[in-house]
Amino acid sequence: DGGITQSPKYLFRKEGQNVTLSCEQNLNHDAMYWYRQDPGQGLRLIYYSQIVNDFQKGDIAEGYSVSREKKESFPLTVTSAQKNPTAFYLCASSMRRSGDQPQHFGDGTRLSIL
Amino acid sequence: AQSVTQPDIHITVSEGASLELRCNYSYGATPYLFWYVQSPGQGLQLLLKYFSGDTLVQGIKGFEAEFKRSQSSFNLRKPSVHWSDAAEYFCAVGDKGTGGFKTIFGAGTRLFVKA
Repeated sequence: DGGITQSPKYLFRKEGQNVTLSCEQNLNHDAMYWYRQDPGQGLRLIYYSQIVNDFQKGDIAEGYSVSREKKESFPLTVTSAQKNPTAFYLCASSMRRSGDQPQHFGDGTRLSIL
Repeated sequence: AQSVTQPDIHITVSEGASLELRCNYSYGATPYLFWYVQSPGQGLQLLLKYFSGDTLVQGIKGFEAEFKRSQSSFNLRKPSVHWSDAAEYFCAVGDKGTGGFKTIFGAGTRLFVKA
């Protein structure tokens, strides 16, 4: 079945450490997204990519970085510059970057600070 | 600026009772509207979407939603709630424009179902 796979499900970060969250999709979608979810705040867009080798900052990109070297993959790195990284991170994809496209989500990665 | 408001942070209903979750949006034209559901520790799943046409849309799991332009609302309903419906529900609006595309999610409404 087609879908989005996020790994790991749980991740712990030490102070000063960069960590990378994996997101892979086999839906043949062009657009991919990373969201951060905090209790009571809904989803906030970190980065998005509408095509390979292209990505754009979302609303809360500071302290995060991404790459899009393959259509299927959109990894997110949480850098040491992100001072409050504890959150639930969701990766999503859509057929194309357009307001009429529903997004398909992975099951998320929960990141905590040690 | 576009916005989506879900006025209820949480709602508790009895199993078998009817459900209505509220969603209000702020948008100049007719927006693309979505409802998603999130079970604990999982991602979001699309329940239904509205683009145009019939203002009452049917979705999966027995849910429906009605678009009311005059009230800028897109409320989600279900006639009879099951315990498995306990989850968090998100309303979202998509920008029609090709330049400044954005999907904005509401803050969510958590549904509790009591036996």
